[in-house]
Amino acid sequence: GNSVTQMEGPVTLSEEAFLTINCTYTATGYPSLFWYVQYPGEGLQLLLKATKADDKGSNKGFEATYRKETTSFHLEKGSVQVSDSAVYFCALGNAGGTSYGKLTFGQGTILTVHP
Amino acid sequence: DGGITQSPKYLFRKEGQNVTLSCEQNLNHDAMYWYRQDPGQGLRLIYYSQIVNDFQKGDIAEGYSVSREKKESCPLTVTSAQKNPTAFYLCASRRDSLTEKLFFGSGTQLSVL
Repeated sequence: GNSVTQMEGPVTLSEEAFLTINCTYTATGYPSLFWYVQYPGEGLQLLLKATKADDKGSNKGFEATYRKETTSFHLEKGSVQVSDSAVYFCALGNAGGTSYGKLTFGQGTILTVHP
Repeated sequence: DGGITQSPKYLFRKEGQNVTLSCEQNLNHDAMYWYRQDPGQGLRLIYYSQIVNDFQKGDIAEGYSVSREKKESCPLTVTSAQKNPTAFYLCASRRDSLTEKLFFGSGTQLSVL
């Protein structure tokens, strides 16, 4: 079955530091890949996505590239801000292009950014 | 503003009691989902509904039930058969079968007294 493994947290950085959160997956076929973010006390929001190999998703300075050869979708940001403090979830949609919303989530990585 | 509203924000359950978590959306989305979030774990799918009066079990449906009598509402009942109900419950919706983006509510924290 599908599975998603995320980098263990928590991750603590100073403002303007470079961020990488690793995500690898196991799936058959060609799933869609997502990063969701959860700010304190809120539900999840879609941060970015990629639907096929070598696609790069980007939003709000965050980027992730769908690497089929390494089954990875690592999240990066060149300069983090205090407002980026949140929990980040990597997720996978079923292969075949239609996940019916049944996403497989990683365990989440807590990011804390200090001034 | 359009969105998904979950209530209550905090809920306490006594032993042997059924409780119902509310989820309402005014986005006119076809599909609705219930996920459970436990500390240090990812979200796990409980139930989902693609259309009114239809729903499917997710990965951890035992001890839960849902209804979908109206397009905008999909309440989740946590029954007494669910022996470990303490968790954060998230409701989500999806516009239609052509999109994969989920919109989430702000969640309900359920605790056992």
